[in-house]
Amino acid sequence: NAGVMQNPRHLVRRRGQEARLRCSPMKGHSHVYWYRQLPEEGLKFMVYLQKENIIDESGMPKERFSAEFPKEGPSILRIQQVVRGDSAAYFCASSPTWDRRELFFGEGSRLTVL
Amino acid sequence: QQQVKQSPQSLIVQKGGISIINCAYENTAFDYFPWYQQFPGKGPALLIAIRPDVSEKKEGRFTISFNKSAKQFSLHIMDSQPGDSATYFCAAEPYSGGGADGLTFGKGTHLIIQP
Repeated sequence: NAGVMQNPRHLVRRRGQEARLRCSPMKGHSHVYWYRQLPEEGLKFMVYLQKENIIDESGMPKERFSAEFPKEGPSILRIQQVVRGDSAAYFCASSPTWDRRELFFGEGSRLTVL
Repeated sequence: QQQVKQSPQSLIVQKGGISIINCAYENTAFDYFPWYQQFPGKGPALLIAIRPDVSEKKEGRFTISFNKSAKQFSLHIMDSQPGDSATYFCAAEPYSGGGADGLTFGKGTHLIIQP
């Protein structure tokens, strides 16, 4: 009865490197959302995906950030050429339907950029 | 522009007391108002939620009060316990019919219940 699984839980990168964060939704959930949480801030919506489709990426920075949810395997949030301002906790959530009112969050991936 | 304003930023309550956290919103299209509870190192977990067709919803020691005309809603924790110590986030979402816009979160309230 696994919940939303995220890995790695902690990731340290130097400026200019790439960060890849993975999210496996709850069993039976085909809708995945990524949120970013900065210190002392609420969660900011980044992107909403279904299998093989990006539904809404209105919260994604225009550059360096990308997300995918392939037919097989976890959803991946990719950050290229990381900068210190990317340091944050990144949370993945899943739901069984398009209705975001049943969001289940993972424990987050904490990215630190040195 | 912050669409959901949450206060206070931090709150200390004695065990057994009532914890009250307030949120105000601007977007009149919001029609779903959940509260999330987050413990350190963990992800947020849905605590309780309300829709604007009711003014109050109660689940155990947790109650949401909703004032549609004032565009405000609040979380009340009765008989607060040390285990309630966490960060609480209010959120709001418009009915999007499967379209864009996710939950808009407040900045959170750090609640400490003193034994």
